[in-house]
Amino acid sequence: GQNIDQPTEMTATEGAIVQINCTYQTSGFNGLFWYQQHAGEAPTFLSYNVLDGLEEKGRFSSFLSRSKGYSYLLLKELQMKDSASYLCAVRPLGGSSYKLIFGSGTRLLVRP
Amino acid sequence: NAGVMQNPRHLVRRRGQEARLRCSPMKGHSHVYWYRQLPEEGLKFMVYLQKENIIDESGMPKERFSAEFPKEGPSILRIQQVVRGDSAAYFCASSPSPVAGGLGDTQYFGPGTRLTVL
Repeated sequence: GQNIDQPTEMTATEGAIVQINCTYQTSGFNGLFWYQQHAGEAPTFLSYNVLDGLEEKGRFSSFLSRSKGYSYLLLKELQMKDSASYLCAVRPLGGSSYKLIFGSGTRLLVRP
Repeated sequence: NAGVMQNPRHLVRRRGQEARLRCSPMKGHSHVYWYRQLPEEGLKFMVYLQKENIIDESGMPKERFSAEFPKEGPSILRIQQVVRGDSAAYFCASSPSPVAGGLGDTQYFGPGTRLTVL
């Protein structure tokens, strides 16, 4: 089966660091995406991991462990505008790899 | 560099009416995907289209739903005889290539159409 788990909600303080976890069980794996989605807006691409390790991009970093079926998104120096939902999506292997499998998203609230 | 465009952003229909949702992909993208997002749930794949071809509609209900991507114009997701359970956000995404691997096939999303069925 296909299953992606993320925490439903998280709260953090402006200026702090927050880590949003994602675990997945899918039939084949060909990459993992993180998207940010502000309420009422489009999901916007943040990061992509296909090999184990950490990918850093400014204040955002994403980590992947394929053996553990685990990823996290790390947000540093939190800003109020980072309040949004963060979506973890897995690209399966094979001919249907375009069918991204999404978790339910993690709603992050950044407090002053 | 315009992103993926969707219209309308909000659509209200009464039960039994038809809903037509439009999506214009990013410039240079010829692959379009439709996803549905129910409240408190993740996005669920519905259909994948290329120009004039439906490649995979395995995620779309077999009745009342149809999709097209004509040679000219936007992709259309059509829902006939809508029911309350169709109320959801419908997102369109586009990519330059679906299975190139790596970042070349990253899907870029539009702002969605929020359908409410009364």
